[in-house]
Amino acid sequence: QKEVEQDPGPLSVPEGAIVSLNCTYSNSAFQYFMWYRQYSRKGPELLMYTYSSGNKEDGRFTAQVDKSSKYISLFIRDSQPSDSATYLCAMSAYGNNRLAFGKGNQVVVIP
Amino acid sequence: EPEVTQTPSHQVTQMGQEVILRCVPISNHLYFYWYRQILGQKVEFLVSFYNNEISEKSEIFDDQFSVERPDGSNFTLKIRSTKLEDSAMYFCASSDPSSGYEQYFGPGTRLTVT
Repeated sequence: QKEVEQDPGPLSVPEGAIVSLNCTYSNSAFQYFMWYRQYSRKGPELLMYTYSSGNKEDGRFTAQVDKSSKYISLFIRDSQPSDSATYLCAMSAYGNNRLAFGKGNQVVVIP
Repeated sequence: EPEVTQTPSHQVTQMGQEVILRCVPISNHLYFYWYRQILGQKVEFLVSFYNNEISEKSEIFDDQFSVERPDGSNFTLKIRSTKLEDSAMYFCASSDPSSGYEQYFGPGTRLTVT
C-alpha cells in the first residue's frame, strides 16, 4: 500500500463551484498535514497546515483531517480560474521531518 | 515576504559531470531540505539538514549526493557524477521550528542530464 494516495484527476469545475480534494494515508505516525499548490514547473506553495483532527479555515480554503480514518481533505469555495493548478497533499510524522507527498490533483476552473 | 531562492533555474549537464545546485533558505530558518520531482511523478524527499549535519536522508540520497552549508546563507546540493535518471526538478525547502513545522519551498532548479 502506498504511503500517501491522492487521485491525480484531472478535475474540471465551473467558476464559483466548490472544489473537493482528498488524500488517504497508511502511516498512522503522520501527525502534520499540509496542502500545497503547484503551478506548472514551479515550486510547491504552502496553502494550509494543520496538525490536529478537525477543520481549519483560511479564507476560501478549508482543510479537514480525520486521523481515525487516515483521510484528509481540502475544500476550495467560490473557485476562481486562478485556482487552476495542481494541489499536493503532504504529511510528516513529526516536526522538521521528511514530507511524504501525494501525487497531486490537477484542478481546472473553467470561467 | 521572505522566500526561498534557488539558482540556477535550469542546468543542463552531460552524464558523468558534477553539478552543484544552490539555495538560499529563509534567513531565520534552521532546518533545510532537498526534494526532487521527476516529470509526472511525486515530489520525493532526499535529505534534511540541521545544525550543520544531515538529520535524515532517503534511500535515493546515495554516495553520489552531498549537501553543505558553506556559509551563513547558502545551502547546496552536489551530485558528483550525474546520471540520466537524475534529470528532475530539485526543490530546496526550509522550516523554522520555533514557529511551526511548515516547510517553505523554493522555485526549483530544473536539471537536465544529457
